[in-house]
Amino acid sequence: GENVEQHPSTLSVQEGDSAVIKCTYSDSASNYFPWYKQELGKGPQLIIDIRSNVGEKKDQRIAVTLNKTAKHFSLHITETQPEDSAVYFCAAIIQGAQKLVFGQGTRLTINP
Amino acid sequence: GAVVSQHPSRVICKSGTSVKIECRSLDFQATTMFWYRQFPKQSLMLMATSNEGSKATYEQGVEKDKFLINHASLTLSTLTVTSAHPEDSSFYICSARKEGATGELFFGEGSRLTVL
Repeated sequence: GENVEQHPSTLSVQEGDSAVIKCTYSDSASNYFPWYKQELGKGPQLIIDIRSNVGEKKDQRIAVTLNKTAKHFSLHITETQPEDSAVYFCAAIIQGAQKLVFGQGTRLTINP
Repeated sequence: GAVVSQHPSRVICKSGTSVKIECRSLDFQATTMFWYRQFPKQSLMLMATSNEGSKATYEQGVEKDKFLINHASLTLSTLTVTSAHPEDSSFYICSARKEGATGELFFGEGSRLTVL
């Protein structure tokens, strides 16, 4: 089955700097890669996603890149703000499958 | 975006009692809903996949008689923790997929269960 590895587990950056979180997946049949932000005591919120027919997607300060050959995808947050502090999860789903496979999560801390 | 509502957000119960958590898709129909359990500082652990009108599919190691899942309509799934014990205390989260959609999941706000 699919396996998703996420790094780093914790990340601390200065406000205004960029943050990058990386994930690798094992099954080349995976075709959908979402990123979720989870704040303390709340459910995950979808912040951006990408499908396998696209190499990059951007939404304001957030971007996701996908390298199908290397089987990895990354979340990029630019001009970080204190409200970006949260736990971020990547995930992948195999085409035709029902369930998402999640990475281990990254605790992002933005230092003012 | 799509809204998934979970209720209650917090529940405290005595050991041996049963607790029901509801998950509703408010503005879309969801043929498939998922239930997760999350321990502190850990990732989401899938417990079961719930398909409307059929029995839930449980992940390996999840007791189906302890965690009863019902998906009676396209907008409602329920998780009942039966004969709860302190080790069942956890954060339970549901998610839903729009009917006809592929991949994209929307999550509820989670339910914090504390068993005394």
